[in-house]
Amino acid sequence: GDSVTQTEGLVTLTEGLPVMLNCTYQSTYSPFLFWYVQHLNEAPKLLLKSFTDNKRPEHQGFHATLHKSSSSFHLQKSSAQLSDSALYYCALSGGNTGKLIFGLGTTLQVQP
Amino acid sequence: DPKIIQKPKYLVAVTGSEKILICEQYLGHNAMYWYRQSAKKPLEFMFSYSYQKLMDNQTASSRFQPQSSKKNHLDLQITALKPDDSATYFCASSQTNWASAETLYFGSGTRLTVL
Repeated sequence: GDSVTQTEGLVTLTEGLPVMLNCTYQSTYSPFLFWYVQHLNEAPKLLLKSFTDNKRPEHQGFHATLHKSSSSFHLQKSSAQLSDSALYYCALSGGNTGKLIFGLGTTLQVQP
Repeated sequence: DPKIIQKPKYLVAVTGSEKILICEQYLGHNAMYWYRQSAKKPLEFMFSYSYQKLMDNQTASSRFQPQSSKKNHLDLQITALKPDDSATYFCASSQTNWASAETLYFGSGTRLTVL
């Protein structure tokens, strides 16, 4: 079945350093991929999602590139900020019922 | 102001009891969902509704019953509660659920603890 893998449970880094959170997926078709972010005690909200063409989605300094050849959609940012500390979920669309399949999530902790 | 209201925010129940989790959305969306988030598990899809009709059900147990009295309401009734049901239950909505690229908007969740 369809699945999403996020290999890092926790990523800790210093403010100003680059961020890369890994996401790979398995799907029987060509799904849309998403990154959702959940700050402490808040609801998950969309950070960015893949496009059907080769455009690279960007939001709040984050970007992700969908690589169908490697089934990956890694999240990147050139310089981490303290406010980026949160739980990040990678997800893929599971068909036409609106269902999303989420990975386990990666907690990003940015330290001063 | 929150556009998706979930009530209550916290809920404690005893094993075997029944509870209803409330969800109302004011985004004008036509599709609503329930997801569950428990310790060491990902956000897990439970149900999707479109125009008050069940579209998808990934919950094996019939103890979980969604109830949609109005287009912008999707409550979740849980009967015969078990400790394993302890989790945060998120309600979500989207404009439709026909397109794979729909953005989901989540409520702030109901944290259920079953003793």
